[in-house]
Amino acid sequence: GQQLNQSPQSMFIQEGEDVSMNCTSSSIFNTWLWYKQDPGEGPVLLIALYKAGELTSNGRLTAQFGITRKDSFLNISASIPSDVGIYFCAGPYMDSNYQLIWGAGTKLIIKP
Amino acid sequence: EAQVTQNPRYLITVTGKKLTVTCSQNMNHEYMSWYRQDPGLGLRQIYYSMNVEVTDKGDVPEGYKVSRKEKRNFPLILESPSPNQTSLYFCASKGLAYEQYFGPGTRLTVT
Repeated sequence: GQQLNQSPQSMFIQEGEDVSMNCTSSSIFNTWLWYKQDPGEGPVLLIALYKAGELTSNGRLTAQFGITRKDSFLNISASIPSDVGIYFCAGPYMDSNYQLIWGAGTKLIIKP
Repeated sequence: EAQVTQNPRYLITVTGKKLTVTCSQNMNHEYMSWYRQDPGLGLRQIYYSMNVEVTDKGDVPEGYKVSRKEKRNFPLILESPSPNQTSLYFCASKGLAYEQYFGPGTRLTVT
């Protein structure tokens, strides 16, 4: 079945560093969603991508919809302490307008 | 303020004691869903509902029940909780787009 492989599983970075994470699948997706979960909270949508090759920014965050439609990337520039959390990618099942498949998440930790 | 609320936020209970986690949304969304989150496994869908009186199983429905008698409410019921249902639970709702809005979570411990 459809699966999303998200990497890395966790990242330890210094404040000010740039961050990259990605999500891949053996299946084609028509939409890619990137969510962030702050500690103790529910996930919140950061960026939605609807078109292959699309590059979309939200402040210091930039996400790309891969040309093959089988991957997506999220970059964070000049990380700050409030970037800490878990980042999830998600995409809809091919035959559904409702159900999402979720990656396992990338946990971002900033070294003091 | 548009939001999804869940209660309780924290719950410790014993094996076999029935419990209900409530979920309510004020966005008039037709679609609502329950997820559980476990370390390293991400979010796994338990049940979802596309409208009042319409519910369906997600990926991990065993041991759970839901009901959707009103558009705004979607309670999650554990008839006989077991320790393997110790987890962090999230309710979510969705409008016409793909974006899902999540509640703050309910941390359940079953001893």
